[in-house]
Amino acid sequence: GNSVTQMEGPVTLSEEAFLTINCTYTATGYPSLFWYVQYPGEGLQLLLKATKADDKGSNKGFEATYRKETTSFHLEKGSVQVSDSAVYFCALGDSGGGADGLTFGKGTHLIIQP
Amino acid sequence: KAGVTQTPRYLIKTRGQQVTLSCSPISGHRSVSWYQQTPGQGLQFLFEYFSETQRNKGNFPGRFSGRQFSNSRSEMNVSTLELGDSALYLCASSEGFGAGELFFGEGSRLTVL
Repeated sequence: GNSVTQMEGPVTLSEEAFLTINCTYTATGYPSLFWYVQYPGEGLQLLLKATKADDKGSNKGFEATYRKETTSFHLEKGSVQVSDSAVYFCALGDSGGGADGLTFGKGTHLIIQP
Repeated sequence: KAGVTQTPRYLIKTRGQQVTLSCSPISGHRSVSWYQQTPGQGLQFLFEYFSETQRNKGNFPGRFSGRQFSNSRSEMNVSTLELGDSALYLCASSEGFGAGELFFGEGSRLTVL
């Protein structure tokens, strides 16, 4: 079945540091890939997505590239801010029609210190 | 456009009771999915409804059920509650059926004592 693996953290960085959160996946076919973010006390919000190999999703300074050869979708940001502190989830959508809903990683808790 | 609305936001039940959670999707969205979020298991897919029909179901026991109404609003029900059912239950809506872009509500936090 489908699975997503990501570093769980917590990951603690100083403001303006470079961020990488690794995400790798196992799936059949050509799934869509997503990064969702969950701020304290809130539901999940879509951060960015990519639907095919070599696509780059980007939003709010965050980027991730769909790498089929390494089955990865790592999240990066060049300069993080305190407001980026949240839990980040990597997810994949079944290309076969979503029979299992979205498959999520366990989430990475990111803490940015001023 | 209003977002996904879930009620109640917090509730406490005791073992053996049942609970009903409600979700109002974004206007125009016809698909509603439910997820359970726990610290140990993370986010797990419960089921998806589209046009009042359950289209997909995750690996949960029959105590977990749901339904969708003609206005796309959805409810999920958990009967004979167990301590392990304590979780944040998240509802998400989308325009179409299948695992595309989901818009999540803030969740209903259930505590079972």
